[in-house]
Amino acid sequence: DVKVTQSSRYLVKRTGEKVFLECVQDMDHENMFWYRQDPGLGLRLIYFSYDVKMKEKGDIPEGYSVSREKKERFSLILESASTNQTSMYLCASRPPGAPYEQYFGPGTRLTVT
Amino acid sequence: GQNIDQPTEMTATEGAIVQINCTYQTSGFNGLFWYQQHAGEAPTFLSYNVLDGLEEKGRFSSFLSRSKGYSYLLLKELQMKDSASYLCAVRMNYGGSQGNLIFGKGTKLSVKP
Repeated sequence: DVKVTQSSRYLVKRTGEKVFLECVQDMDHENMFWYRQDPGLGLRLIYFSYDVKMKEKGDIPEGYSVSREKKERFSLILESASTNQTSMYLCASRPPGAPYEQYFGPGTRLTVT
Repeated sequence: GQNIDQPTEMTATEGAIVQINCTYQTSGFNGLFWYQQHAGEAPTFLSYNVLDGLEEKGRFSSFLSRSKGYSYLLLKELQMKDSASYLCAVRMNYGGSQGNLIFGKGTKLSVKP
């Protein structure tokens, strides 16, 4: 069974704090993704990585950065958290071949006050 | 821009059949996914269609028409545990982001006794 884990299920941070969200997968997948999910907006891609030290912007990268130093770990960083970054954050990984399905972690519900 | 439409909410009765539609207009297409997401949990993979036609997997079937930009998910013999959100996602095929998914906003299905 593929396992994608995220460091926290719930997180409360203050405006202006630097926030790290960690994601680890145990299936040697090359591709990893960070999404946020908001009511009425669905899942939106923030950043993705298709190899160690490689990263690409998704649809809504503003206010975020990422780090991928090891294949199994993909971190999302909020440099200076703001209240509009309150959301559910989902990490996913994907193997290179068909059927290209993404495996999701349990999510981190982040509240910025 | 990319557009994926699905109904916001649906209600059905236990034991019945329900069809959840998804229409898409995207700049690329390399397959269509359906995911199930129970409240507070991660999305889990249901089906993947890349060619036209019907794919059947137990009580769940998924249909794709590429020429019409249309897919549906068919759930038979509905059970209470099928109450969840169902996410339609198009796999893109451009550049370095090959394999990225664009998600619809999801359809919340409520199954009533």
